[in-house]
Amino acid sequence: KQEVTQIPAALSVPEGENLVLNCSFTDSAIYNLQWFRQDPGKGLTSLLLIQSSQREQTSGRLNASLDKSSGRSTLYIAASQPGDSATYLCAVRPGNAGNNRKLIWGLGTSLAVNP
Amino acid sequence: GAGVSQSPSNKVTEKGKDVELRCDPISGHTALYWYRQSLGQGLEFLIYFQGNSAPDKSGLPSDRFSAERTGGSVSTLTIQRTQQEDSAVYLCASSRPGVDVAFFGQGTRLTVV
Repeated sequence: KQEVTQIPAALSVPEGENLVLNCSFTDSAIYNLQWFRQDPGKGLTSLLLIQSSQREQTSGRLNASLDKSSGRSTLYIAASQPGDSATYLCAVRPGNAGNNRKLIWGLGTSLAVNP
Repeated sequence: GAGVSQSPSNKVTEKGKDVELRCDPISGHTALYWYRQSLGQGLEFLIYFQGNSAPDKSGLPSDRFSAERTGGSVSTLTIQRTQQEDSAVYLCASSRPGVDVAFFGQGTRLTVV
């Protein structure tokens, strides 16, 4: 059974720091992995999607890497800003899900970037 | 609309009552998902609709839960005889055919008292 773990559960940093959020999964047979951002009352926003054949994806100050064999992904945020404060969720799509694109989720990392 | 719309945004109900949660997906999105997010737990898959195919109901926690999607658009999640453990945020998401990136609604926070 696929399980997704995110470390740390919470993180507080001063503005401007570079930071790394970690995600691990128990079954390396994944189709893809996504990082989401969750803001209170605003639902979830997809940040980056990495296919199983890819090693990393970048969007602006965000870079996500994937090491499928070791069951790990990291989300790197450069030059953090107070507006980055949110909960960051990692989710994997199992490789055996067929046409169902259901996701298995971690509990998230709650990030606070202090001015 | 521009995004996935869910209603109501908040719902407080008495134990034993039935509730209906509504999701209006983005126009043209054939895939629709319902997830549940309970306090201290990760998002839990409930049900998946894809076009005219039979829905994947494998995530529904009990027979008190059901969902339908009329005309391939609006979906309703119904919880009968609500229990306190049903209290959670219910999230709906939709995506275009063949695309994994899903757009989420803001969720419905259900509180059973």
